[in-house]
Amino acid sequence: GAVVSQHPSRVICKSGTSVKIECRSLDFQATTMFWYRQFPKQSLMLMATSNEGSKATYEQGVEKDKFLINHASLTLSTLTVTSAHPEDSSFYICSAVRGLAGARTDTQYFGPGTRLTVL
Amino acid sequence: GENVEQHPSTLSVQEGDSAVIKCTYSDSASNYFPWYKQELGKRPQLIIDIRSNVGEKKDQRIAVTLNKTAKHFSLHITETQPEDSAVYFCAASIFWGGSQGNLIFGKGTKLSVKP
Repeated sequence: GAVVSQHPSRVICKSGTSVKIECRSLDFQATTMFWYRQFPKQSLMLMATSNEGSKATYEQGVEKDKFLINHASLTLSTLTVTSAHPEDSSFYICSAVRGLAGARTDTQYFGPGTRLTVL
Repeated sequence: GENVEQHPSTLSVQEGDSAVIKCTYSDSASNYFPWYKQELGKRPQLIIDIRSNVGEKKDQRIAVTLNKTAKHFSLHITETQPEDSAVYFCAASIFWGGSQGNLIFGKGTKLSVKP
């Protein structure tokens, strides 16, 4: 259990276009999902925290108008990179927190990631 | 905010030897410390975690120790195997008010196990 999927796995787009990345928790409900960005050979940098039914919380330095996050249901969060530029090329990974009924947990389960290349 | 330091950045060991990766954190309120293994181009996989009410946790060849006073925690891998080769990330999280805390990651350690 605790499977998180991401779609697409790879995307190549032209500069100026927008790209939407989906993150789904397949076998559990996730009230909280996180979006990370990872550059080659570097660590995961948290971009934003996505809570179902409310606005996302962005980390300092992350432009909320450029990286639009929507968490419309307990199993789906989307990240839209608007007007993408080559410097947005990166590996984007989501994670979902699995909350057990009547218990609190911090365990995050990661999606497989989306490699975005902006030409 | 929380800051997590991880050492070493690279680690090379012979198969069968032990490997130790250390992390320190800055915020004494952090109370959850997971370790992730990430193979090239793949998602991070949780391998073990520890909460602040426990000093040590072991799962077969993997163990994690936590020293809350010194604010550091370590990953220990015994009897290393070539398939243990990967990048390992430590992380720290604060859990408060029923809300899930976001993870702050260390910079990672590239472990190479030589046959």
